Amino acid sequence: SQLAEENLWALSVHEGESVTVNCSYKTSITALQWYRQKSGEGPAQLILIRSNEREKRNGRLRATLDTSSQSSSLSITATRCEDTAVYFCATDEGGRALIFGTGTTVSVSP
Amino acid sequence: GGIITQTPKFLIGQEGQKLTLKCQQNFNHDTMYWYRQDSGKGLRLIYYSITENDLQKGDLSEGYDASREKKSSFSLTVTSAQKNEMAVFLCASSIQGNSDYTFGSGTRLLVI
Repeated sequence: SQLAEENLWALSVHEGESVTVNCSYKTSITALQWYRQKSGEGPAQLILIRSNEREKRNGRLRATLDTSSQSSSLSITATRCEDTAVYFCATDEGGRALIFGTGTTVSVSP
Repeated sequence: GGIITQTPKFLIGQEGQKLTLKCQQNFNHDTMYWYRQDSGKGLRLIYYSITENDLQKGDLSEGYDASREKKSSFSLTVTSAQKNEMAVFLCASSIQGNSDYTFGSGTRLLVI
């Protein structure tokens, strides 16, 4: 069962531009997490946003959470080539274990 | 800083073979996980363990066994490898189920 899902399979931008990845989920959650996976590596956590938070920032990253529409977004400003990766959202199922979306591939070109 | 190590990095097996993947972490995390990643399908949960000797099935547990004999290690066994199977198996650990996860770099499996 897919409880969280990113809305687009792939996005391409040029360096310096901003990009936003969107995610929708199906159940009530205590928190939503965003992960980034670079080629040949395991995913790495970027941001954890709790259900009582509407926005969370981490450097050039900004995550939003809208529990009424069960959606979240991750924005990256001033993108760099090294931001090229697959971005996943993940939600907990009552604290049991994270369920990951299928991911959005973001490609940043020079 | 801690580290989570998966061995082997690459695994080539034959159809019907039993294959074991290993994962070690030194974060002293209570919970450990095994996920399978296929191209275009994201990460799917196979097994997880909330403490030593505990095992919990995920959505994809059929065809797999797992073992958590020590807090620091979690192994996964493919009970009968399927021909042409190709996937990445990712191990992760966390303090608890809804906290941030630290992943290993994966074991890449190919069955011929």
